[in-house]
Amino acid sequence: AQTVTQSQPEMSVQEAETVTLSCTYDTSENNYYLFWYKQPPSRQMILVIRQEAYKQQNATENRFSVNFQKAAKSFSLKISDSQLGDTAMYFCAFKMASGSRLTFGEGTQLTVNP
Amino acid sequence: EAGVAQSPRYKIIEKRQSVAFWCNPISGHATLYWYQQILGQGPKLLIQFQNNGVVDDSQLPKDRFSAERLKGVDSTLKIQPAKLEDSAVYLCASSLDIGEAFFGQGTRLTVV
Repeated sequence: AQTVTQSQPEMSVQEAETVTLSCTYDTSENNYYLFWYKQPPSRQMILVIRQEAYKQQNATENRFSVNFQKAAKSFSLKISDSQLGDTAMYFCAFKMASGSRLTFGEGTQLTVNP
Repeated sequence: EAGVAQSPRYKIIEKRQSVAFWCNPISGHATLYWYQQILGQGPKLLIQFQNNGVVDDSQLPKDRFSAERLKGVDSTLKIQPAKLEDSAVYLCASSLDIGEAFFGQGTRLTVV
């Protein structure tokens, strides 16, 4: 079974600074997807960024980028120029390419301070 | 494009009562998920449908939880009888066969 581990329950960052959230996963599969989801207090789970395992290039979406290390099974999220609206729970998630379940980590509560 | 719709948003029931949640996925999405998210934890998959067939229900407490997906579109999740530990947010999500899942706003259940 696949597992996803987020070792940082809470993190904080000053507005406009950069923060990195960590995620590791365990799988014997070769083809899969990795995601970062954001969950603000409204509870709506919002996709931040996705990475296909077969792509060597790290995904980037505006201020959000990932550092995908396939051999190390590591998938960290970097948020640049942090904004107050980035305050939320962030979940790392794994899904095999064959359309199986989406497995989540336990989450990291990020607080952006003014 | 309309998102995943869930209702109700909130529900408070007494233990041993029954409750049902409803989900309408994004049009054309064959895969539908129900997740349970206990406060402070990550979502845990309860059941996954592919069209109207069950793909994975290994973590569904089948003695009290049931789910169905009528005609491969809408889905309902039922709890009967509810226990205190069922207090959680119930999230519905849908996806195409591959790629990311899109989530509804969830239903917050409180069992007293």
